Amino acid sequence: EAQVTQNPRYLITVTGKKLTVTCSQNMNHEYMSWYRQDPGLGLRQIYYSMNVEVTDKGDVPEGYKVSRKEKRNFPLILESPSPNQTSLYFCASSLLGGDSPLHFGNGTRLTVT
Amino acid sequence: DAKTTQPNSMESNEEEPVHLPCNHSTISGTDYIHWYRQLPSQGPEYVIHGLTSNVNNRMASLAIAEDRKSSTLILHRATLRDAAVYYCILRSPFYNTDKLIFGTGTRLQVFP
Repeated sequence: EAQVTQNPRYLITVTGKKLTVTCSQNMNHEYMSWYRQDPGLGLRQIYYSMNVEVTDKGDVPEGYKVSRKEKRNFPLILESPSPNQTSLYFCASSLLGGDSPLHFGNGTRLTVT
Repeated sequence: DAKTTQPNSMESNEEEPVHLPCNHSTISGTDYIHWYRQLPSQGPEYVIHGLTSNVNNRMASLAIAEDRKSSTLILHRATLRDAAVYYCILRSPFYNTDKLIFGTGTRLQVFP
């Protein structure tokens, strides 16, 4: 089954403790992206990648890192999480091109205390 | 970056048609118009997309204005399962940039 898999689904952590949220897709998509969703602010793009070793900032990249060493994986790294990064995170993937639909994961709810 | 504007919320009764508008006055000539919806507690899911001509699929229809500065997602007969947040976004065909802006979408309520 074609899918985007995020792990974990829920994560509670403390300020400053490094964490990684994983994202994997099995559709051989070149494009992958991370979004955060907060009440009243909609979906905001954090980082995106158009192929292996190619990443670029979205609208809200501060406090996050990403890497794209393999085509199928696009982990989101929070080196020193802070409470304002408490949010619902979504990973998405697609083929390149304007007419390619995005496929989203089921989300990761992160709480930083 | 091209942006879209949508109403915050809309309401409909079950089995009635729903027309969800989206304004994208800064659209470029090659941007595709995509629609996604997000059901409660789920990730967004693809609904439909188009470039210039109106499009139909099993989920919905997409009507695109002649000047492409606006579009309308049409749900022909709303069901309770269509209650969701609907997002309209623009996607460039050029491979050097793909910074997608979702915004806050339109929350559709469907009443029985």
